[in-house]
Order: sequence, then C-alpha cells, then structure tokens
Amino acid sequence: NAGVTQTPKFQVLKTGQSMTLQCAQDMNHNSMYWYRQDPGMGLRLIYYSASEGTTDKGEVPNGYNVSRLNKREFSLRLESAAPSQTSVYFCASHEAVGRQENSPLHFGNGTRLTVT
Amino acid sequence: KQEVTQIPAALSVPEGENLVLNCSFTDSAIYNLQWFRQDPGKGLTSLLLIQSSQREQTSGRLNASLDKSSGRSTLYIAASQPGDSATYLCAVTVNSWGKLQFGAGTQVVVTP
Repeated sequence: NAGVTQTPKFQVLKTGQSMTLQCAQDMNHNSMYWYRQDPGMGLRLIYYSASEGTTDKGEVPNGYNVSRLNKREFSLRLESAAPSQTSVYFCASHEAVGRQENSPLHFGNGTRLTVT
Repeated sequence: KQEVTQIPAALSVPEGENLVLNCSFTDSAIYNLQWFRQDPGKGLTSLLLIQSSQREQTSGRLNASLDKSSGRSTLYIAASQPGDSATYLCAVTVNSWGKLQFGAGTQVVVTP
C-alpha cells in the first residue's frame, strides 16, 4: 500500500520563487490536509479539504494556496516563497468527515523545504 | 482554544523499562484522541485512536488511556526496546470535519 505520497522530498528555493507541493493518496479518503512542522511550534494546519471540490483555511494559510484536483490529489502552492516558509510540510488524509470516531489520520513522509 | 501539552519534552530510559508518556488537553469536548509515532525524517504513524466514549485502547505492548473529565491521556509502552526510540505525539480531534490539535511531542530514547 502506497498510502499518502508526497513529492518532492526535498526542495531549496530562493526568496520570491514559486513551487507546488504534490500529494496523492490511494485509500479513497474524502478528507485531506496540509500541515507544516517547525521546531518548538509543533504541527500547524495550513489548509484542508473536507471533500472533493472544497477547500478551507486552517491556522496558518497566509502565503499558500491549495487545489483539490480530484479525490486523490491535493496540492499546496507557494506563490512567492519567503524564508519564514522554511519548514517540513506534511500531507495527511483520513476516511470521511462525520466519521471521526473510527478514522485515524494517515501522513505522508513530508517535504523538507528551505527558502534562502 | 484547545491546547495540548506533552510533558516531558524528552525522556531516556534503559531497555526493558516501561515507558509512560503524558498528554493533557484543556477542553474536554473532543471527538477522539490519537497517539502518533514519528521517526527522524519521516511522517507520523498513527499508533492508537481512542474514541471520546472509550477509556482505553490496546495494541500489543501499547496501551493508551483517556480521562476526558480531567483532560488527560497516558500512553504506556511495556518492556521498551531500542526500536521504540522516536518522538511520540498526541492529538485531539476538535470538530466534526476532523481538525486535530497536536501536542509538541515527547522525544524518547531507549538505551540498550
């Protein structure tokens, strides 16, 4: 089982450059999420998609955009990268909104982004 | 706002000793609580999920308890092994679409 797949694994950008982080899941999950993880800050939600065709802001959405391309894929775009966006980015998914009681979150292995 | 705290931030134990990891949360209105493991350079792996109506969950050497009224969960790992060395995070689901609030994690080192 591939689970949640993220690409790329590593990326270095210069300030002002743009890039898109890709995420795909093969578990037929409805809900998908983008988190960033920073030392001392823990995991913070950037954007989420409760179902195909919908996206909503999380705790730290500024500087990011997302696209739920289809049920499998959820991408995160940095339009103009800033050093403050240096972080590890994780994509996650789980089964369905409204079925939280039996729905562990599945994570990808992360994208390590450095903005210089 | 829900806040999740994990103490201690780091823990070192000799192999064979039982591990006790603590998680506390400020708002008892949760849907469930999950414990995750994170290895260096990797994503998070879900270990146990305790529903809000449950008191505990067990999987092999792992046992997690939940006391919603006091806002506490404890993860017990019996007879620790060097392979248990990792960071352990707890998270509570705070609303119906699945928003999780994470603790900062406890870094565990099990020495041979």
